[in-house]
Amino acid sequence: GAVVSQHPSWVICKSGTSVKIECRSLDFQATTMFWYRQFPKQSLMLMATSNEGSKATYEQGVEKDKFLINHASLTLSTLTVTSAHPEDSSFYICSANAGAVGELFFGEGSRLTVL
Amino acid sequence: QQQVKQSPQSLIVQKGGISIINCAYENTAFDYFPWYQQFPGKGPALLIAIRPDVSEKKEGRFTISFNKSAKQFSLHIMDSQPGDSATYFCAAKPPWGDAGNMLTFGGGTRLMVKP
Repeated sequence: GAVVSQHPSWVICKSGTSVKIECRSLDFQATTMFWYRQFPKQSLMLMATSNEGSKATYEQGVEKDKFLINHASLTLSTLTVTSAHPEDSSFYICSANAGAVGELFFGEGSRLTVL
Repeated sequence: QQQVKQSPQSLIVQKGGISIINCAYENTAFDYFPWYQQFPGKGPALLIAIRPDVSEKKEGRFTISFNKSAKQFSLHIMDSQPGDSATYFCAAKPPWGDAGNMLTFGGGTRLMVKP
């Protein structure tokens, strides 16, 4: 299957700082990528759809000024958690469609811990 | 509104047994039904997927059964192994090009296979 890579896999930061998470499609181009958030023992919650060359589309209840998404190229989308607080601590996962039928492939996830 | 309902939330199976996880959906426009396997601290990995034009798909020990009239589909893991212990998510998606190709996930099932 297609490979989606995330970096970093885990990050610890102080409250009030900003953290950037990168999502790359390694062997295919992705005009659209998706960012999910997952709390322990829960399902994946779609945060936003990242569109190459245009603004991201955010799901209801997700603060666009808090979670900045940039999709500057066909292989890279970034999620920046601005002014992070402990309640932002979570597992963030990106994904992208690939293949003839548009299967969705996920990155390895990024564990964010805000102290 | 939860459009994909998954059960059970947790499942314990003896090694060699059959694990069965069920999902029900509401949106008749869905035409792609994947199952994902997620290990702790990792992103979900596509396991197997089915489209509504077939009633069953088998890949190795994993089988999807699909009942279009009942709007239900299930994952069967034959000869379950301890290495299958993970969280499994069913999902559903409308046709390519509709609603941004977004997956709707079930709530997840934590499977434990006892040696």
